[in-house]
Amino acid sequence: TQLLEQSPQFLSIQEGENLTVYCNSSSVFSSLQWYRQEPGEGPVLLVTVVTGGEVKKLKRLTFQFGDARKDSSLHITAAQPGDTGLYLCAGVYGNKLVFGAGTILRVKS
Amino acid sequence: NAGVTQTPKFQVLKTGQSMTLQCAQDMNHEYMSWYRQDPGMGLRLIHYSVGAGITDQGEVPNGYNVSRSTTEDFPLRLLSAAPSQTSVYFCASSFGATGARWNGYTFGSGTRLTVV
Repeated sequence: TQLLEQSPQFLSIQEGENLTVYCNSSSVFSSLQWYRQEPGEGPVLLVTVVTGGEVKKLKRLTFQFGDARKDSSLHITAAQPGDTGLYLCAGVYGNKLVFGAGTILRVKS
Repeated sequence: NAGVTQTPKFQVLKTGQSMTLQCAQDMNHEYMSWYRQDPGMGLRLIHYSVGAGITDQGEVPNGYNVSRSTTEDFPLRLLSAAPSQTSVYFCASSFGATGARWNGYTFGSGTRLTVV
């Protein structure tokens, strides 16, 4: 059983559509991070959220941390083929960083 | 600025063989971790370290050993390889927390291990 549950597992959409990926847990995290991974490479950090209710924007990506610091969401506006990849949420649990199973996003042109 | 360097990139082992996956970072990061990545399961933490001489178990530690004699190096040892250890292994490092905010982990490019 993973501490962090991500949904959906797989998302295939057309260029220009909006989408939201969810990351949920029954545990409280001191920090939550989102990473993006491309085939054959290691994950790369997108953002870190710390405060309950915190919202961060990175161009067309909007990240939100739940008020209780147990859940987070990633919203992409007007998705582009370059957004294709594996999106992973990760929570800081004590001194450890634990990951969800990830959401595979495919954006078709 | 090499970042996190993992060697080898690919390895095939026979069941029962042992080997060491190497990981080195040149960013003076205190925190280092080993993960394995299997289809549909994201990254699962094997072992981690919060500084030289200090290591602890993660979610899936069985069959693996680690040590941290220097800040730079964090090798992962497979004691007796099993087909269930076929996976992609990632090493990562971080400064840890700056105040209340955790710094991101920098990942190596991975080692693809096959056990036959």
